[in-house]
Formats: sequence, C-alpha cells, structure tokens
Amino acid sequence: IAGITQAPTSQILAAGRRMTLRCTQDMRHNAMYWYRQDLGLGLRLIHYSNTAGTTGKGEVPDGYSVSRANTDDFPLTLASAVPSQTSVYFCASSPDPSYNEQFFGPGTRLTVL
Amino acid sequence: ELKVEQNPLFLSMQEGKNYTIYCNYSTTSDRLYWYRQDPGKSLESLFVLLSNGAVKQEGRLMASLDTKARLSTLHITAAVHDLSATYFCAVDKDSNYQLIWGAGTKLIIKP
Repeated sequence: IAGITQAPTSQILAAGRRMTLRCTQDMRHNAMYWYRQDLGLGLRLIHYSNTAGTTGKGEVPDGYSVSRANTDDFPLTLASAVPSQTSVYFCASSPDPSYNEQFFGPGTRLTVL
Repeated sequence: ELKVEQNPLFLSMQEGKNYTIYCNYSTTSDRLYWYRQDPGKSLESLFVLLSNGAVKQEGRLMASLDTKARLSTLHITAAVHDLSATYFCAVDKDSNYQLIWGAGTKLIIKP
C-alpha cells in the first residue's frame, strides 16, 4: 500500500511557467488537502476537497488551482509561477472531513527562479 | 481570530530529562491532533485526541486534552536523541473540515 504519493519530488522552475504538482492516494479517503510549508510560517492550507467533485479555498489560494475529478487524484496547478511560490508542498488526505486525522505525502520541493 | 499557539517554539534539552510542550487553542473544538516532522521529511500523525480528558501514550510520549481549558500537552519522559523533531498540534476549525495548525515546536535532544 503506497498511501499518498506526490510527484515530482523536487523541481526547479522558471518564473512564468505553468506547473502541475501531482498527488494520488490509494486509501479511498474522501478529503484531500494541499499545504505549503515555509520556514517560519508553518503549514498553510492552499486548497482542499471534502469529496470528489468539490473543492474549496484555503488560507493562501491565490496563484493556485485544483481539481478533484475522482477520489484518488488531487493535482495542484500553478498557472504562472512566481518566486514567492518557492516552497515545500505537501498533499494530505483524511478518511472523512468529520474525522480529520490527516495523512501526508512525502512532499514536493519547488524552486521558482 | 482562530488561533493555535504552541509553547515553546524551540526546546533544547538533555537526554534523560522530562519536558512538556503546550498547545493552546481558541476554537471550541473537542478534537486535537499531534504530528511529528523530522528534518526534510513529511509529517507523521502521532496522536488523535477526541474528547475532553483524553490521554494517549506511545513510548516516551504522552498527550492529553483539556477542552475546557482549550489546552493540550505533549509530555516527553526521559528524552532520547531519537525524539528530536518538530512537533505540531492542530485542531478542527469550527464547522469546517479544515485544521488550524500551531507553528510547531522544534525539539533538540542532546546526547
């Protein structure tokens, strides 16, 4: 059982480029989340999805978009990357929004130059 | 404003000592979560505390929850170097299926 996988592991990206970070879970969890983690700022929620077909904005959604076409996949897209989006991105899932123990993927380290 | 405050944010201690990390929160949530993160790694769930008075223990770590005081503690007994990590607490956001995260406590345990 893989749990949650993220791809790529790391990426260096030129500013202005479009980038999609992939997240897949095989636990049939209903809820999925995208966070960014920056030194000194802790974990900040970007977008979330309580169930397939629905998404919502978190604390820092600007510059990012998500989709949830099925239960397993929750890609995060940066339409036009900027240096301030340099961060470590974590995808997480939980069995149900009402029991919110979240399980995290290994993370993607993104550098925007 | 909904807040989760951890205390201390940084802790350096010797092996064999006991210490407690505090997590205060401002929501009315009765569910609290503790996570561990090793340097350069992802977050790992440690404890889920689901009601007032809940206590959970795993090895040298014990977590408790007092919903009336809006306080959770993570107690470390006879610390060992392997427990060096950053510890986060998080609570459910009122009527919303998100977590509010503390800033994390970086724990360094010296041999």
